[in-house]
Amino acid sequence: DAKTTQPTSMDCAEGRAANLPCNHSTISGNEYVYWYRQIHSQGPQYIIHGLKNNETNEMASLIITEDRKSSTLILPHATLRDTAVYYCIVNNYGQNFVFGPGTRLSVLP
Amino acid sequence: DTEVTQTPKHLVMGMTNKKSLKCEQHMGHRAMYWYKQKAKKPPELMFVYSYEKLSINESVPSRFSPECPNSSLLNLHLHALQPEDSALYLCASSQRHRETGELFFGEGSRLTVL
Repeated sequence: DAKTTQPTSMDCAEGRAANLPCNHSTISGNEYVYWYRQIHSQGPQYIIHGLKNNETNEMASLIITEDRKSSTLILPHATLRDTAVYYCIVNNYGQNFVFGPGTRLSVLP
Repeated sequence: DTEVTQTPKHLVMGMTNKKSLKCEQHMGHRAMYWYKQKAKKPPELMFVYSYEKLSINESVPSRFSPECPNSSLLNLHLHALQPEDSALYLCASSQRHRETGELFFGEGSRLTVL
């Protein structure tokens, strides 16, 4: 089981922030939240991960709620090249990465 | 070098053929993975190798035979496949299996079985 739920699809205007939500209400204390994306016909690409604190890197920001039951991936200035399927995965030591259906993000000009 | 390289990128084979998919990484990772991805579906885990030993086989049919000759190489041998085995086969690696950290994926090998 993927243990996460995400919207099937979202649209975002080019240049605007894309906010992708993920619910993981059954997350346990030692599970991390990972985000990957997959551009059409390419392999998945790691974006960011976090445990409880908010994280930021050159690609995106990850906001995790205080109760850790949901998170949001933020692409601050979406471009057409950010059009992809975005996967939210919870994972801890002893488990394998299980991909759910993900969110298909379309960045529109 | 932060790449996982997969060859070939495209493969067409008949149901009686024997072929192999190859995957290579030079990041010193000790865990390597095969995933299968059907069109418009998420990747599904097939096999995990940890320190060159098969750690996980997700009930994959025996017509798929993985091999890890050394810590940098991972092969997937294919024999007597069915048309429904047509898919994108993705290889990934990580520093160690069952530790937190990212998976590095290759671009995949797109397999068509006629």
